[in-house]
Order: sequence, then structure tokens, then C-alpha cells
Amino acid sequence: RKEVEQDPGPFNVPEGATVAFNCTYSNSASQSFFWYRQDCRKEPKLLMSVYSSGNEDGRFTAQLNRASQYISLLIRDSKLSDSATYLCVVDSGGYQKVTFGTGTKLQVIP
Amino acid sequence: EAGVAQSPRYKIIEKRQSVAFWCNPISGHATLYWYQQILGQGPKLLIQFQNNGVVDDSQLPKDRFSAERLKGVDSTLKIQPAKLEDSAVYLCASSDRQGIDYGYTFGSGTRLTVV
Repeated sequence: RKEVEQDPGPFNVPEGATVAFNCTYSNSASQSFFWYRQDCRKEPKLLMSVYSSGNEDGRFTAQLNRASQYISLLIRDSKLSDSATYLCVVDSGGYQKVTFGTGTKLQVIP
Repeated sequence: EAGVAQSPRYKIIEKRQSVAFWCNPISGHATLYWYQQILGQGPKLLIQFQNNGVVDDSQLPKDRFSAERLKGVDSTLKIQPAKLEDSAVYLCASSDRQGIDYGYTFGSGTRLTVV
């Protein structure tokens, strides 16, 4: 099993739609989780951290399910500007490495 | 706050040549990462430093890649000799890994083309 797995997509959704991505991880001792956004030919940028209790930032909601070892990202009311690749990141903390998923590509269509 | 600085932005070399990339992390960030991102793929961790010590370099092709972080600040990544499959964007990131929302800040990357 890969350390971090994401559905590569692409997810093609119309404007205004709700879309959800999942990301599974294999290390049950993983401590911190993030979602990053990467635009074409740009560096990844932090979208949001994923808290144990779940967290929301505007149209974006992130959740963590430790029992099933996955994190999710929900985007409501999709905008054209949301088109990008979304990367999940798993940090096992301390002197453990940080692992990025391969990314899920989202294309929002007018 | 100044971001993560990387240079050069672009580099084109012939196979079997050598190349070096430089990274200056955000001041105070103890952890520094080098990632390789091939077009269409997610970033792959090459090496992770905590201060000037190596935390993980399990995916670094040590026969041709080397990295160092002198004095726990700047870092250089070297490829010698380069192969065609090394064509990628090399991203440097840093983090203080403190608190809840620490995240990782990336530099703009160096786009390497090996011909």
C-alpha cells in the first residue's frame, strides 16, 4: 500500500457544484495533515490544515477520519478559480518524513 | 516575512553534466525539504533536513544526487552526472513544524531540463 494515495482525477465539475476528494494514508501514527493547492507551473501553497475535529474555511471543509485513515476535502459552490491540483500532505511528526500525495486535478467548467 | 528563495529559476544542461541548486529557507525554520516534481505528478521528497542533520533521504538517488545544509540554514542540491529522467522542477520548502497550522512554505522552484 502506498504511504499516501489520492484519486488523480481529473474531476470535471460545473460551476456551483459540490465536489469532494479523499486521501488515504498508511501510517496510523501520522500526526498532522494538510491540503495544498497547486496551480499549473506554480509551487504548492497551503490551502488548509486538517484538524481532528474537522474544520471549515468558507466554501472549503476538511475532515480527518483516523479510524479509516483518510482525510477529505469538500468544496461547495465551485468557482472557475478553484481549478487546480489539490495535494494532500501527511506529516508523521518529529524525525519522520513528510509525504505528499500525487494530487487530484479539479477542472471547474462554466 | 521573506519567503523561501531558490536559484536559479531555470537551468538547461546536457546529460552527464553537473548542476547545483541553492535554497535559502525562511529565517528560523529548522526543517528544510527538497522535492522533485516531474510534470503531472505530485512532489516527491528527496531529502529532509532538521537543522543540519538528515531526517530522511531514502528516495535520494545517492549515486548521483547529493545535498547539504551547512550551519542549518542554506542548502544546496547537486546532481552529478545528470540523466534525461532528472528533468523536473526541484522545489525547496521549509517549516518550523510548530503549533497547529505550521504548514510548509515552498520556493518557486528550479525547472531543470536535461537534453
